[in-house]
Amino acid sequence: SAVISQKPSRDICQRGTSLTIQCQVDSQVTMMFWYRQQPGQSLTLIATANQGSEATYESGFVIDKFPISRPNLTFSTLTVSNMSPEDSSIYLCSARPLADTQYFGPGTRLTVL
Amino acid sequence: DAKTTQPPSMDCAEGRAANLPCNHSTISGNEYVYWYRQIHSQGPQYIIHGLKNNETNEMASLIITEDRKSSTLILPHATLRDTAVYYCIVSQGAQKLVFGQGTRLTINP
Repeated sequence: SAVISQKPSRDICQRGTSLTIQCQVDSQVTMMFWYRQQPGQSLTLIATANQGSEATYESGFVIDKFPISRPNLTFSTLTVSNMSPEDSSIYLCSARPLADTQYFGPGTRLTVL
Repeated sequence: DAKTTQPPSMDCAEGRAANLPCNHSTISGNEYVYWYRQIHSQGPQYIIHGLKNNETNEMASLIITEDRKSSTLILPHATLRDTAVYYCIVSQGAQKLVFGQGTRLTINP
């Protein structure tokens, strides 16, 4: 299994600013993912964070808005850029250890004013 | 990935078995059935997964029909803490998980 932590756990931001969310896994993992959960909705996959190369984005999500870094096998960041109130969501980091199932962090609750 | 269909909501009495159905009629031979749950404001929690055989762990049992077109998650003795949204997901073993709307399970005292 994998234990995943995220920082910050929550934040309130002004529109037009950017926020970087950190995700730390307690063991090396092959795959890391970022999801968004808008109020009252299910989880939507934003992108797969690839170690050593550019992230793979899902339809409707672009690198300029959600730049992602993954410098090693245990850490990733997601930046929400030029925020608007529509970006208010819970952002979740997820990881899949080798030959294991996928685990989720506790989420970062973002409110944009 | 194959699509899944789940009832939007279910109720169950505390102490009884909760049986959550999931239809996945387009599942392919190499796709697993995964179950997760999300308790309010927390990250999703892995429950169980299976390919074709029934599976049991300390949390739940997973019953997959012989044709693999549907499955049932069983919580044998539901408690109030089992109130959550339960997600049935079909995915190949090494692929990303795509979430549907899930079933909101309410355990009543």
